[in-house]
Amino acid sequence: DAGVIQSPRHEVTEMGQEVTLRCKPISGHDYLFWYRQTMMRGLELLIYFNNNVPIDDSGMPEDRFSAKMPNASFSTLKIQPSEPRDSAVYFCASSGTSDYNEQFFGPGTRLTVL
Amino acid sequence: GENVEQHPSTLSVQEGDSAVIKCTYSDSASNYFPWYKQELGKRPQLIIDIRSNVGEKKDQRIAVTLNKTAKHFSLHITETQPEDSAVYFCVVGSYDKVIFGPGTSLSVIP
Repeated sequence: DAGVIQSPRHEVTEMGQEVTLRCKPISGHDYLFWYRQTMMRGLELLIYFNNNVPIDDSGMPEDRFSAKMPNASFSTLKIQPSEPRDSAVYFCASSGTSDYNEQFFGPGTRLTVL
Repeated sequence: GENVEQHPSTLSVQEGDSAVIKCTYSDSASNYFPWYKQELGKRPQLIIDIRSNVGEKKDQRIAVTLNKTAKHFSLHITETQPEDSAVYFCVVGSYDKVIFGPGTSLSVIP
């Protein structure tokens, strides 16, 4: 297995533009997590899915952020419109059959909003 | 909600010495306590975990101890090596949530 795959690895965009981050979890994993990491705020859980269903989105900062998981092998995190304060590394992670399994992180997407 | 704290926030040790990082939490219903290591520019990776029915777990040079009554658990690294330099995150899990601590930056000086 190639592990968790994220694309793009780097994204530079201008304020106001729409940004879409993509994630392919490890096959067979039931849980998918989206995190944001910054120096100021550390590693923040944005949202997580169980069997493609959003379970907890309380970490999503505001309505500009949305996440979907249309099937077991694909998820997107969208920011519209983007702002400079959204600049961060966004990680996707997946885990097995329960919350208590190891989370496997993807390589992250470094987003810069100018 | 759950409040997770880590101490210290930064730690420098000489190579070969031991390092201890402590994590405290507030929700007594929490019952899963992993530690993740994140090297500079890389992704977090699990290094050890413990569940609430166990007081201590060891894996070579790393160990985790849990005091569920006092609601804290600690990561112990013995015989530290330069490659142990990284940010370490404690994580507190319950049936419906997994929360990462703020992280501890460990520097091992050769």
